[in-house]
Amino acid sequence: NAGVTQTPKFQVLKTGQSMTLQCAQDMNHNSMYWYRQDPGMGLRLIYYSASEGTTDKGEVPNGYNVSRLNKREFSLRLESAAPSQTSVYFCASSFRTSGSDTQYFGPGTRLTVL
Amino acid sequence: DQQVKQNSPSLSVQEGRISILNCDYTNSMFDYFLWYKKYPAEGPTFLISISSIKDKNEDGRFTVFLNKSAKHLSLHIVPSQPGDSAVYFCAARGDFGNEKLTFGTGTRLTIIP
Repeated sequence: NAGVTQTPKFQVLKTGQSMTLQCAQDMNHNSMYWYRQDPGMGLRLIYYSASEGTTDKGEVPNGYNVSRLNKREFSLRLESAAPSQTSVYFCASSFRTSGSDTQYFGPGTRLTVL
Repeated sequence: DQQVKQNSPSLSVQEGRISILNCDYTNSMFDYFLWYKKYPAEGPTFLISISSIKDKNEDGRFTVFLNKSAKHLSLHIVPSQPGDSAVYFCAARGDFGNEKLTFGTGTRLTIIP
């Protein structure tokens, strides 16, 4: 039982390059999330998916797209990376979207955009 | 506009003593509060939570206190242990229609042996 897995763990991009961050959970959770963590800013919600087939914007969606491929997988895509997207990205999942449901986080992807 | 604030970026406490981490919020519609703990190179993990209808919740060495009138919550760890050294995030959930979590900026707790 791996919980929430994320790939890659580290990535360095040049400005303008694109990439997809992958996330998968094996807990049969309905809801999945993408957060970014920046120094002095805490965790900020980028996008979330309440259930398979639905996605919604969070607090900081600009510059990102997401795909809920199936119940297990939720990917985050940067179409044209910018230095402001240098951050640590966390994927999380929970049974429901309600914040009172415990969210389980992956180990994170550290992204640097040069 | 930071709706959930942790004004102390760091805190050092002697092993065996009490650690008190503080969190303030501005949105009176928040109705559920959580604490997450994060070790380096790992994702956050849930620690303890409290509903706005309560003023205290206890789980072993961890107790969370909520003061709604002051819009303030605190996490007490007694006694503090070296394994408690981590970053602690408080988070708040909005009411119906906005149930996503809003996280604070985190407090790095260091337990001194």
